[in-house]
Amino acid sequence: QKEVEQDPGPLSVPEGAIVSLNCTYSNSAFQYFMWYRQYSRKGPELLMYTYSSGNKEDGRFTAQVDKSSKYISLFIRDSQPSDSATYLCAMVVYNFNKFYFGSGTKLNVKP
Amino acid sequence: AAGVIQSPRHLIKEKRETATLKCYPIPRHDTVYWYQQGPGQDPQFLISFYEKMQSDKGSIPDRFSAQQFSDYHSELNMSSLELGDSALYFCASTRLTDLNTEAFFGQGTRLTVV
Repeated sequence: QKEVEQDPGPLSVPEGAIVSLNCTYSNSAFQYFMWYRQYSRKGPELLMYTYSSGNKEDGRFTAQVDKSSKYISLFIRDSQPSDSATYLCAMVVYNFNKFYFGSGTKLNVKP
Repeated sequence: AAGVIQSPRHLIKEKRETATLKCYPIPRHDTVYWYQQGPGQDPQFLISFYEKMQSDKGSIPDRFSAQQFSDYHSELNMSSLELGDSALYFCASTRLTDLNTEAFFGQGTRLTVV
């Protein structure tokens, strides 16, 4: 069993929809949680970064962490076709020696 | 703002050849990670360095070696290349001495072994 589980999708939504992307994890030592967006053949781009339970908002993106349930989410409001990409969650223990990635969720936002 | 720079962006090598991939972290970042990503796969951790010392090692073949230099750039050396080494190789950097800091990835080097 992987330490980080993520539904690979694909997830297809109409433009303007609210998108919910989720990851679960098993290692309670994870302290830092990140969401990356990756377009095809490009490097992962950092979207959100959190280290505490609760919500963090940045524009159309909201990252949510529930450490008690070992569950993190990324919400995208008013989704756009340009949001179509693969979204990777990543987690790190306190000493940042390596990242643990989910398998990525492929999102397609239809015009 | 300066990002993580990787070179070359694309590389084509023949089997059994050697390749060297370079990573230049964001200025002031002291930690570098190397990842390999096959088609449709999530990134697989290879190796990381903190302050020029290896800090962790993942699924890196013995044919590969890496190091971080005094200017914090890192190089991944891959010898006796195999067809299965064809992948995107990413490097990421962070500043470990500042807790609560983000990690950023480069655009990757696409290695094709023929």
